[in-house]
Amino acid sequence: AQSVAQPEDQVNVAEGNPLTVKCTYSVSGNPYLFWYVQYPNRGLQFLLKYITGDNLVKGSYGFEAEFNKSQTSFHLKKPSALVSDSALYFCAVSSTTGGFKTIFGAGTRLFVKA
Amino acid sequence: EAGVAQSPRYKIIEKRQSVAFWCNPISGHATLYWYQQILGQGPKLLIQFQNNGVVDDSQLPKDRFSAERLKGVDSTLKIQPAKLEDSAVYLCASTKQGGGDTEAFFGQGTRLTVV
Repeated sequence: AQSVAQPEDQVNVAEGNPLTVKCTYSVSGNPYLFWYVQYPNRGLQFLLKYITGDNLVKGSYGFEAEFNKSQTSFHLKKPSALVSDSALYFCAVSSTTGGFKTIFGAGTRLFVKA
Repeated sequence: EAGVAQSPRYKIIEKRQSVAFWCNPISGHATLYWYQQILGQGPKLLIQFQNNGVVDDSQLPKDRFSAERLKGVDSTLKIQPAKLEDSAVYLCASTKQGGGDTEAFFGQGTRLTVV
């Protein structure tokens, strides 16, 4: 069975500091991994995805994520956080053998302090 | 390009009443999804359509929930009768195709409160 875990309910970081939002997954077959962001009163927005190829994936708004197959992780990172990055972040996974059903994590709230 | 449209944005009903939500996906997107997002949790897939056919409805509580996408474009999700635990945000999403490797575009959602 597919699963995805976001171990932190909330991440607090000061503006200008690097940020990391953690995600680990469990699938059979090859994973397709996604990060989405949800701002208040708005739908989820796609940030980036890993399908195959380079383990470091770059996405919108300066975010990037690193796929680590041995640790089954796909952590979201940004070198310098902005107050406007404060939002709810969701990691999601589907797989080549999971019927392509996408499973979402519970979400991590990022709070960037000025 | 217009995004995924959902209506209504908010709905408050009493338990045992019925309610319907509407979704219009991005033009040309073959795959449409309905998700339920309970406060503090990630979205949970209720049903996935490929054109007007159901691909996955394994987590849809079929005794009270129903959904249709008759012409392969817009879709309606219905709850009848509603229970208190159905209080959630119902999200509609669409993708060009349903291969699992394509990012989804989400609507703003319908926030349902059952009292």
